[in-house]
Amino acid sequence: DGGITQSPKYLFRKEGQNVTLSCEQNLNHDAMYWYRQDPGQGLRLIYYSQIVNDFQKGDIAEGYSVSREKKESFPLTVTSAQKNPTAFYLCASSMGGRMDEQFFGPGTRLTVL
Amino acid sequence: KQEVTQIPAALSVPEGENLVLNCSFTDSAIYNLQWFRQDPGKGLTSLLLIQSSQREQTSGRLNASLDKSSGRSTLYIAASQPGDSATYLCAVGGMYSTLTFGKGTMLLVSP
Repeated sequence: DGGITQSPKYLFRKEGQNVTLSCEQNLNHDAMYWYRQDPGQGLRLIYYSQIVNDFQKGDIAEGYSVSREKKESFPLTVTSAQKNPTAFYLCASSMGGRMDEQFFGPGTRLTVL
Repeated sequence: KQEVTQIPAALSVPEGENLVLNCSFTDSAIYNLQWFRQDPGKGLTSLLLIQSSQREQTSGRLNASLDKSSGRSTLYIAASQPGDSATYLCAVGGMYSTLTFGKGTMLLVSP
């Protein structure tokens, strides 16, 4: 059953802590993306990776970091430098071409206590 | 910088009505346009993908059109049902295969 999985579904973080959100896909897609969604807002791009061992900053990369060591995995770390991390985080993947459709995971809701 | 606007922000209709959701974008140099559905607290489900060279795409009761030159797309939903209630998001694809999203239209279809 092909798709994108994100874990955990809910995550709570204390101020000053780093947390890592998991994103895994078994669609054999080259490109993967991380978006952030705030209430009443559209999605905003944090980071994206078009190929293993390479990634680029999106519109709101400050306070976040990523790695792409394996094709199927693209974890996102929310660092203590991110001033307002409470949000819904969505991971997506695509074949990687400019014309290709993006598919999304179920999301992780991060709350800072 | 690309900006995507969706109108209306919210829409409430009785079951059975046909309806149109609107999406506009500022930069016509797009590669594709996707319409998504999002249920509360869930991820996005892709509904339709229109390539930049296409004018429309259809899937069941859904029809999406694209007019690149005027920077507009519409999503037409025929014979709406309560199960169509969700937020609908429009996104345009740019040079680096990334998407720029609108804020969405929240649709409520009442029985």
